[in-house]
Amino acid sequence: RKEVEQDPGPFNVPEGATVAFNCTYSNSASQSFFWYRQDCRKEPKLLMSVYSSGNEDGRFTAQLNRASQYISLLIRDSKLSDSATYLCVVLNSNYQLIWGAGTKLIIKP
Amino acid sequence: DTGVSQDPRHKITKRGQNVTFRCDPISEHNRLYWYRQTLGQGPEFLTYFQNEAQLEKSRLLSDRFSAERPKGSFSTLEIQRTEQGDSAMYLCASSSGTANEKLFFGSGTQLSVL
Repeated sequence: RKEVEQDPGPFNVPEGATVAFNCTYSNSASQSFFWYRQDCRKEPKLLMSVYSSGNEDGRFTAQLNRASQYISLLIRDSKLSDSATYLCVVLNSNYQLIWGAGTKLIIKP
Repeated sequence: DTGVSQDPRHKITKRGQNVTFRCDPISEHNRLYWYRQTLGQGPEFLTYFQNEAQLEKSRLLSDRFSAERPKGSFSTLEIQRTEQGDSAMYLCASSSGTANEKLFFGSGTQLSVL
């Protein structure tokens, strides 16, 4: 089992819809969590950190569920420009950053 | 531009040749990471530096790979005797080394080994 797992998708979603995807992690002592966005053939860019109480940044909401060991990303009112791969990253108890393989999101007009 | 820069952006080489990539991190960042990424996968950790000290190397990093950060600023990644399986995007990232470990990536070097 991989330490960080994501549904690879693709998620095909109509513009304006709400979409959510999860990322599970196996190391229960993991400390920090992040969502990165990666456009095709570009470098990953930090989208948002994930805080224990959940956090929101505009149309994006990130949540952490330590009991079930997953984090989630919700995108409201999706835009065509949201089409990208969303990578989940976990800082585990050994201070290693573990990357998921990413979830591909396609927003359709 | 004060972000992370990598050079070259693209490299095409023949199998068996040596290649070297350079990374210039954000100037105040003391941590520098090298990752490799292939299509459909997340970045795979290769190695990282705290200032000039190489603190960790992945098992993925065979003896054909070597990385340096001689003055704690820019870093180089060299691959000797390249193989077709080395074809990938090589990403460099830097961070300030705080517990939150937010990484800032360069645009990467796309390596194609023919």
